[in-house]
This record gives sequence, C-alpha cells and structure tokens, in this order.
Amino acid sequence: AQTVTQSQPEMSVQEAETVTLSCTYDTSESDYYLFWYKQPPSRQMILVIRQEAYKQQNATENRFSVNFQKAAKSFSLKISDSQLGDAAMYFCAYRGDDKIIFGKGTRLHILP
Amino acid sequence: DGGITQSPKYLFRKEGQNVTLSCEQNLNHDAMYWYRQDPGQGLRLIYYSQIVNDFQKGDIAEGYSVSREKKESFPLTVTSAQKNPTAFYLCASSIGPLAGPAGELFFGEGSRLTVL
Repeated sequence: AQTVTQSQPEMSVQEAETVTLSCTYDTSESDYYLFWYKQPPSRQMILVIRQEAYKQQNATENRFSVNFQKAAKSFSLKISDSQLGDAAMYFCAYRGDDKIIFGKGTRLHILP
Repeated sequence: DGGITQSPKYLFRKEGQNVTLSCEQNLNHDAMYWYRQDPGQGLRLIYYSQIVNDFQKGDIAEGYSVSREKKESFPLTVTSAQKNPTAFYLCASSIGPLAGPAGELFFGEGSRLTVL
C-alpha cells in the first residue's frame, strides 16, 4: 500500500525568507501524481502545485517550487519570499491508479 | 461558477442518531471522495466512487455509508455505528480516474459534525 510521510508537524519561517517542507512517499507504481495542498484557517483546501512522476523537470508556480527526487521517493515544497498569507497547513498527497493519499500535514507559521 | 457544495457546514447530532452530509458537484467529474480530518491525522479516506452506482471503501469506512445514484451527488451517512464521529468532513471530486492517475482533487468547504 502507498504511504505518504510528512516528518515536520510544524515549522516557522521569517517573513520574506525561504522555507522547505519535506515529504516522502512509498509506492510500487511507476505512473502517479504528487500534489501539495494548502489549508488556511478557512479550511478550504487549495491546490498549490502538482508534479507528474514521468516528468523529470521540477514543477514551479510563482514563489512555490518542488524538488522531486523519484528514486528517493521525495517531494519537497520550497516557498520563497514567504508572506503572511502563506501561513496554513500544508498537505502532501500521492495519487496512483485509484485513490489519493494524504500525509498528516505540516503547519507553517510565518513570523513578521 | 463550477464547484463542490457541501451542506450543512455545521451539524450537531445526539448519540445514536444517523446523519447525512450532502455533497454536490457541477464540474462534470466522474470521481468523488469523502475524507475525514482530525487534528494531527491529516485526511483519511472514507469512501470513494469512480462512476455512478459504484463505490469503494477507503481506509476508515466502518460506521459510514454512501450512495452514488447521480453523477453530481455523493452523500455520506454517518451511522450510529461510528464510535467517534466528531470530525471535519471533506468532499472532493476529480476528473479521473478510470484508467490511470489523472487530475487533482477539487474540494468542498467541509462539514463540521459534532456529537453531543
């Protein structure tokens, strides 16, 4: 069975600085997708970034980028120029053939 | 605007009562999902459905039931058999996934169930 592990329950970063959230996963599938979702205090889940496993190039969305290491089964999220609005729970997710599995989340605090 | 609507946002239930959470989507998505969120537990999959009139158990299906009579609707019933039903429930949908992985999840705003 697939698993997703986020080893950092909480992190803090100074406003305008860069922070990296870690995620590792385990799977025997070769074709899959990986996602990072953000859940602000409103609890609405928002897609931050996605990565197709067959693509070697790391995905980037404005200040958000990933470091995808397929052999190591690692999928970290880097947030550059952190802003107060980035404060939220961040969930790493794996999508295989039939269902999507989430990690337990990392709560990110932004320090002004 | 296309999206997913969950209702009610807040629900209180007495022990021993069944309750049904509504989830409707107008995104024309084939797949729909129910997740439960507890502090420190992340999102855990309760049930999912890839097509009308078909659904599968997720990791924590005990005490829950679902139906998928229409493509747009995937209601979740929390039965009295669910021993610890107080939680935040999220419904989601995606384009996929009958053949291989495809597409991200789109989420509703969630329903908070509290058992008194």
